[in-house]
Amino acid sequence: GDSVTQMEGPVTLSEEAFLTINCTYTATGYPSLFWYVQYPGEGLQLLLKATKADDKGSNKGFEATYRKETTSFHLEKGSVQVSDSAVYFCALASGNTPLVFGKGTRLSVIA
Amino acid sequence: ETGVTQSPTHLIKTRGQQVTLRCSSQSGHNTVSWYQQALGQGPQFIFQYYREEENGRGNFPPRFSGLQFPNYSSELNVNALELDDSALYLCASSLRTRGNTGELFFGEGSRLTVL
Repeated sequence: GDSVTQMEGPVTLSEEAFLTINCTYTATGYPSLFWYVQYPGEGLQLLLKATKADDKGSNKGFEATYRKETTSFHLEKGSVQVSDSAVYFCALASGNTPLVFGKGTRLSVIA
Repeated sequence: ETGVTQSPTHLIKTRGQQVTLRCSSQSGHNTVSWYQQALGQGPQFIFQYYREEENGRGNFPPRFSGLQFPNYSSELNVNALELDDSALYLCASSLRTRGNTGELFFGEGSRLTVL
């Protein structure tokens, strides 16, 4: 079945550092890809998405590009802030199938 | 804030008991999905309801059941609780059109502890 694999955390960075969180997927067909973020004590929020190959999703300085050839959707940000500390989940969905999530990567940004 | 509200936010039960969790969908949404998020894991799909009928189910036993009401609010019921049922239960609502579930909007979850 469909699955998502993302890099294990936790990831600890200093403020203004560059962030990459790797995500690869296995799916039949052509899924849509998502990054969700979960801040402490809150529910999941959609951060960005891409629905077809070579699409780039972006939001709040975060970016991810749908790479069909490498089945990847890596999350990047050029300069992280303390407020970016959260758990980040990569996910996919095909058509009307439910979202399949990765295990999450905890990011801690220190001042 | 997504407009999806869940209750209770926290609860503690003992093995063998039953629990009901509630979810109020975002206004205008007709589909609700439930997910279980164990500590340190990603959310796992339990089931989805559309127009008051179950419309997809993950790998969860029948003691996990649900309801969706005419106002699109929803309940998740778990019978015969086991220790491994301890988790954060997330409700997500969406507007389903033309067979596409649409973007999910999550509530903050109900944290269940089974002792």
